[in-house]
Amino acid sequence: GALVYQYPRRTICKSGTSMRMECQAVGFQATSVAWYRQSPQKTFELIALSTVNSAIKYEQNFTQEKFPISHPNLSFSSMTVLNAYLEDRGLYLCGAKTGGAYTQYFGPGTRLLVL
Amino acid sequence: GQQVQQSPSSLVLQEGENAELQCNFSSTATQLQWFYQSPGGSLVSLLSNPSGTKHTGRLTSTTVTKERRSSLHISSSQTTDSGTYLCARSSGSWQLIFGSGTQLTVMP
Repeated sequence: GALVYQYPRRTICKSGTSMRMECQAVGFQATSVAWYRQSPQKTFELIALSTVNSAIKYEQNFTQEKFPISHPNLSFSSMTVLNAYLEDRGLYLCGAKTGGAYTQYFGPGTRLLVL
Repeated sequence: GQQVQQSPSSLVLQEGENAELQCNFSSTATQLQWFYQSPGGSLVSLLSNPSGTKHTGRLTSTTVTKERRSSLHISSSQTTDSGTYLCARSSGSWQLIFGSGTQLTVMP
């Protein structure tokens, strides 16, 4: 079956440092990957959409300078939170799908705590 | 305004009771998904139901596309059903827009 793994599941970083998180698709081709964030007491909001071999599209309030994303192949994507501060706390979710399919598969998320 | 609205925001039940969760969206959805988020935060996809009625186990989802609403019915609730239930829709492009969720607590 189709699965999405995310690493690490939980991480703590010091304020001002950076944190890289990974997303791996197994059992299907992750042509497109979406990264979401759920801040404390809030719902999920889209950070960016990435399609392999195409430009990454960032939503308003999120930038490549802050959240650089790599999507080098059909099974892997990574996102880094640069210069993390308290407002970057939350659960970061990776969702992936193949081509024109509607079904998205989600990882369990990476929970980021910033001290 | 908020594109996906869920109600109620929280719900407390006794074990064995049924739960009815509602989701209203502001524009036509080509994809409508229900998710369960555990107290620990992990997200699990429950049902993908852009229209009509779908069943899986104790869960039944009914989506009326023209009326831009979907419901999730949980029958014979169990304490392990406690958590947050999220509705998410997409239309056209595939990124999902999530609602704020319904926090369900099932008491023993």
